[in-house]
Amino acid sequence: AQSVTQLGSHVSVSEGALVLLRCNYSSSVPPYLFWYVQYPNQGLQLLLKYTTGATLVKGINGFEAEFKKSETSFHLTKPSAHMSDAAEYFCAVRKDTGRRALTFGSGTRLQVQP
Amino acid sequence: EAGVVQSPRYKIIEKKQPVAFWCNPISGHNTLYWYLQNLGQGPELLIRYENEEAVDDSQLPKDRFSAERLKGVDSTLKIQPAELGDSAVYLCASSLGLQGTGEETQYFGPGTRLLVL
Repeated sequence: AQSVTQLGSHVSVSEGALVLLRCNYSSSVPPYLFWYVQYPNQGLQLLLKYTTGATLVKGINGFEAEFKKSETSFHLTKPSAHMSDAAEYFCAVRKDTGRRALTFGSGTRLQVQP
Repeated sequence: EAGVVQSPRYKIIEKKQPVAFWCNPISGHNTLYWYLQNLGQGPELLIRYENEEAVDDSQLPKDRFSAERLKGVDSTLKIQPAELGDSAVYLCASSLGLQGTGEETQYFGPGTRLLVL
């Protein structure tokens, strides 16, 4: 079975500071990994995804994530936080074995202080 | 291009009443998903359709939940009767449904927020 663990249900940073949201996965096979963002009262929007190839993935809004197989991690980072980054962030995993559904972590709420 | 459309956005009902949610996926997307998102949690799959066929419904509580996607386009999720614990956000998502491609993106609708009193 695959699962996703997001360390820290709440993260608070100052505007302009580094954003680091942690995600670890468990999977018996190399997975496909995703980060989604959810703004209040909205659906989930894809930030970035790792499939194959380069392990450093760049996404929208200046976010990036690095797939580290040895650490089973896929942490999300952004060099400089903006007030508009305040939202809920979800890490998700999927194995390409016919079950297309995503398995999500419990989410991390990012607060950005002025 | 229009995204995934869901209605209603909000619904308040009393327990034991029936309720239905509607979803229209992105045009051309063969795969449709219904997810349940409890407060403070990530979404969890309820059911997945490939065209008209429900191919993954192992997490759907079939005693009270039902879903259909009759023409392989829009879909309806129903709860009858609703219980207090069903209060949550019900998300619909769609994807192209490319065979053997686990990397394809799922696009989510805004969700229906259900409150059962």
